[in-house]
Amino acid sequence: DTEVTQTPKHLVMGMTNKKSLKCEQHMGHRAMYWYKQKAKKPPELMFVYSYEKLSINESVPSRFSPECPNSSLLNLHLHALQPEDSALYLCASSQAPGAGKSSYEQYFGPGTRLTVT
Amino acid sequence: GIQVEQSPPDLILQEGANSTLRCNFSDSVNNLQWFHQNPWGQLINLFYIPSGTKQNGRLSATTVATERYSLLYISSSQTTDSGVYFCAVETNTNAGKSTFGDGTTLTVKP
Repeated sequence: DTEVTQTPKHLVMGMTNKKSLKCEQHMGHRAMYWYKQKAKKPPELMFVYSYEKLSINESVPSRFSPECPNSSLLNLHLHALQPEDSALYLCASSQAPGAGKSSYEQYFGPGTRLTVT
Repeated sequence: GIQVEQSPPDLILQEGANSTLRCNFSDSVNNLQWFHQNPWGQLINLFYIPSGTKQNGRLSATTVATERYSLLYISSSQTTDSGVYFCAVETNTNAGKSTFGDGTTLTVKP
């Protein structure tokens, strides 16, 4: 099974709302990623979790709060977002660096289209 | 950080034509992937190819790591091949940190 799932598919939220994006994988991967993609732009890395610990934070504003409750789940908690945060949010997973390799193939979920009003 | 340049930015083909997409990168890489993003936003893995040549049906890819480029070949293109093609790379010093090129938007006309 090479599937990464994300919920919800679409989300509309106001600037004062609190919402969460969810990502799940059952491939036994121990690295999980959040990316943000604006229209007609490439995905940009936001966060990386390796063995359920935050290993990379690409200077993302604190209104985005990631959480990795276990090896299969990754959440992105959203609070006080701005309209410019509207984008496609993509989750990915891969094997974690180690065992002689520093990098592995990433598998992406279908994304959540977020609109902030 | 590493620079990734893809060319051409846009490509329009008639169904059945062949095409070559290019990805240049500015530093040594230990990971290079090609993706196809469909109109619904799903990024589909095409190749994991930090070096060498691979083929999968009508698609093939070659990475020449020493010269810092990768090529994606699409033969006998179909309308379903339309979408954006991205290459993404990682360096030894930034494992886990993928940098994407700006993509090539391919339109295949019937």
